[in-house]
Amino acid sequence: SAVISQKPSRDICQRGTSLTIQCQVDSQVTMMFWYRQQPGQSLTLIATANQGSEATYESGFVIDKFPISRPNLTFSTLTVSNMSPEDSSIYLCSAESGSGQYFGPGTRLTVL
Amino acid sequence: GEDVEQSLFLSVREGDSSVINCTYTDSSSTYLYWYKQEPGAGLQLLTYIFSNMDMKQDQRLTVLLNKKDKHLSLRIADTQTGDSAIYFCAEIAGGGADGLTFGKGTHLIIQP
Repeated sequence: SAVISQKPSRDICQRGTSLTIQCQVDSQVTMMFWYRQQPGQSLTLIATANQGSEATYESGFVIDKFPISRPNLTFSTLTVSNMSPEDSSIYLCSAESGSGQYFGPGTRLTVL
Repeated sequence: GEDVEQSLFLSVREGDSSVINCTYTDSSSTYLYWYKQEPGAGLQLLTYIFSNMDMKQDQRLTVLLNKKDKHLSLRIADTQTGDSAIYFCAEIAGGGADGLTFGKGTHLIIQP
């Protein structure tokens, strides 16, 4: 299994600002992913963070709004840009390790 | 696209068995997962089953897969109050290079 940490654990931000969320894995992994969990909802995949190349985004998510970095095999960041209240969610990163995807504790974002 | 369906709520008495059901549409699913999310916590990978298996047992947990009907179930024996959580079914196609598609989650409610 993989142990995944995220920073910050929560934040309250003003409309129009940006927040960068960091994700650290305790071992080298090939695949890392970013998900969003809106209040009371299930998880939706935002993008796959590819090491050494641009992230692969799911339908409905774009790079300008959610830029992602993946500088190495243990670390990734997700930025939520030009935030609006509709971006209030929990953002989770995950890593594929062995036969499963393991998740970080999530970053709870509230946009005022 | 892929779709994963679950009942929203399940209520059981403490000590009874809980059976949480899930159906999926993607016939190319290779792995199917069960995650547990307790209030305010992240996602915990409970167990998974590979698509060429029909059953997997792990202590109190039993996973049954009917690939023909695209039906997955999670049985929790001797349900305890600590099992109270949201249980998410998720599927993945391919060998781990894709993100997960999640169901909406089943709230397991334990009655004393």
